[in-house]
Amino acid sequence: EAGVAQSPRYKIIEKRQSVAFWCNPISGHATLYWYQQILGQGPKLLIQFQNNGVVDDSQLPKDRFSAERLKGVDSTLKIQPAKLEDSAVYLCASSFPDGASGANVLTFGAGSRLTVL
Amino acid sequence: AQSVTQLDSQVPVFEEAPVELRCNYSSSVSVYLFWYVQYPNQGLQLLLKYLSGSTLVKGINGFEAEFNKSQTSFHLRKPSVHISDTAEYFCAVKKGGGSYIPTFGRGTSLIVHP
Repeated sequence: EAGVAQSPRYKIIEKRQSVAFWCNPISGHATLYWYQQILGQGPKLLIQFQNNGVVDDSQLPKDRFSAERLKGVDSTLKIQPAKLEDSAVYLCASSFPDGASGANVLTFGAGSRLTVL
Repeated sequence: AQSVTQLDSQVPVFEEAPVELRCNYSSSVSVYLFWYVQYPNQGLQLLLKYLSGSTLVKGINGFEAEFNKSQTSFHLRKPSVHISDTAEYFCAVKKGGGSYIPTFGRGTSLIVHP
């Protein structure tokens, strides 16, 4: 089975510029997540989609971050304008419910590393 | 809300020695528990998970973890580490049921020396 695909792997921009990251989840996974991982910290959830609907975006800085999953498959995360503190790895994950417990088990992509200068 | 504490930010160990990476969580309800590994410049890979049943969980690469409800812990162990185990390890907890998402700890850097 193909994994979670993300692009670009690396991006360097100047502050106040914009950037977009793309994610293609595992086929059939209805739930998609975007996490932000700042150096030395654990991943922090930015937004969770169930098909093309938003389940949780409480930690998404909506003044500058936006995300969409229009057809319920791939997703785009955008930052505009970027700040220095947005330098991080942006991880996309998708999940399916475990058969016995119903718990969602996440599979992560390799991540997109953003450096804001 | 649940939280996860990984007590050690860095654990240095010699090759072939045993290792334990500690994880404690706080939650007043039933939980699901996970350990993920992240190799340099890669995404997170699931090592093992506790969803229900036996409290001793075996994962990939020879790792295992034990769920201890009374101590609210889920420590990760390996009896003999290899150089290739050098990586960042993350503990995560998720409330049982519903659409809750996992909360991750800050990570523990395992450094295996020859």
